[in-house]
Amino acid sequence: DSGVTQTPKHLITATGQRVTLRCSPRSGDLSVYWYQQSLDQGLQFLIQYYNGEERAKGNILERFSAQQFPDLHSELNLSSLELGDSALYFCASSVAEGAFEQYFGPGTRLTVT
Amino acid sequence: QKEVEQDPGPLSVPEGAIVSLNCTYSNSAFQYFMWYRQYSRKGPELLMYTYSSGNKEDGRFTAQVDKSSKYISLFIRDSQPSDSATYLCAIAGGFKTIFGAGTRLFVKA
Repeated sequence: DSGVTQTPKHLITATGQRVTLRCSPRSGDLSVYWYQQSLDQGLQFLIQYYNGEERAKGNILERFSAQQFPDLHSELNLSSLELGDSALYFCASSVAEGAFEQYFGPGTRLTVT
Repeated sequence: QKEVEQDPGPLSVPEGAIVSLNCTYSNSAFQYFMWYRQYSRKGPELLMYTYSSGNKEDGRFTAQVDKSSKYISLFIRDSQPSDSATYLCAIAGGFKTIFGAGTRLFVKA
């Protein structure tokens, strides 16, 4: 158990809908990262937050947004969902802003039908 | 060209074999090199990391980095069925981490 929690574990929704994925980092970690993992794309970095502020952006679509709250939990919002958004979404956390040592949560499996 | 290239496998070996997993990368600015292990339906977990070039050993696992050829390796000695997983290499530096696609490893009892 990495200490990172993610909810829900599974999510099934229809195209065009909007969903919110939630992540709680390890105790003491200030940085949160979101990743998307699909079979053909591997683990793709989406976005990073540090202590409530956005720090880095990867291949995140405009339909996706995230935020980190004062209690350090983070939410990833996915809107206007498409079939291609079906994937595993992982949250990871680290102590520092540029830490390479990231601890991953169990992931949320999103299925868009 | 992807910044990190990793053969997706699958790689199937008998129990007790020495396993060699490899990645190549293109950007020499990265300073940290990591290996993560991911079991089916779980999140990746950090196995080991190295800073710059050289070797690092941890039990049955050895990580090796050759910055001159931009090549990173993970060796698993005396492989066990419990080592069956997907292994992802990753490179990091300047607040950026890039993962390889992962190699699926099967160790047969």
